[in-house]
Amino acid sequence: GAVVSQHPSWVICKSGTSVKIECRSLDFQATTMFWYRQFPKQSLMLMATSNEGSKATYEQGVEKDKFLINHASLTLSTLTVTSAHPEDSSFYICSASNRGRGEAFFGQGTRLTVV
Amino acid sequence: DAKTTQPPSMDCAEGRAANLPCNHSTISGNEYVYWYRQIHSQGPQYIIHGLKNNETNEMASLIITEDRKSSTLILPHATLRDTAVYYCIVERFDGLTFGKGTHLIIQP
Repeated sequence: GAVVSQHPSWVICKSGTSVKIECRSLDFQATTMFWYRQFPKQSLMLMATSNEGSKATYEQGVEKDKFLINHASLTLSTLTVTSAHPEDSSFYICSASNRGRGEAFFGQGTRLTVV
Repeated sequence: DAKTTQPPSMDCAEGRAANLPCNHSTISGNEYVYWYRQIHSQGPQYIIHGLKNNETNEMASLIITEDRKSSTLILPHATLRDTAVYYCIVERFDGLTFGKGTHLIIQP
C-alpha cells in the first residue's frame, strides 16, 4: 500500500510552546489529508480535513486557531499545536487519500506530551 | 452517532480463522464498508473495503450480507501479529469516522 510518513514520532514540549507535526505522502499525491487525535484507550477522533491549496475544514469543537493546519502541496500537510497545554497531550495521526472513497493511508502517529 | 456496531472484544486461537462481525443496519445505498485495524500505538492500517459484493485480498475476506445490513471480516489463518483493534466503518465521503472497534486477541 501507499506510504504516509509522519514526523516526529514523539515530542515532549513545555506548556505554552508550539509544536509542528508533518505528514507526507511519499509515493502518491494526496488531494486530501486528515488529522485525528486519539486519547488513551479511546478511538480516533477526526479533527480536521484539509484539501491542497484551500483552508482546512474543522470538526465541531476543534479550535482552528489552536490547531493550525497547512496543506501547501499535494504531498505535505502540517499540524501546528499552538500554545500547547498538558490537556493537548495525545496521539496525533494523519491520513492521506487520493481516491475519494475512504481508502486512506495513515501515518505512524505522533505522541505529543506537554509538560 | 455510531453507524456501526461491533463486539468490544473477541478471542481467537492462533492458526484458526478469525471472524469479526459488524452491524450497519442504517447503511445507505452508496456507502461503502471499510475495515481498518490498529496495532497498539501505531496508525491504523487499511485492510479491505466493499460495497455489496464479497471481497478478498491478501490480508482478509469481507462478506457483506445481501441486504447490506451486516458484514464479516475474515482473517483466514490468524497469527499473534493480528492482535489489534479492528474498526468497521461505513462512509461515503472521505474523513473516516471511527467507532470503538473490536479488540481481537489471538491466543497462542
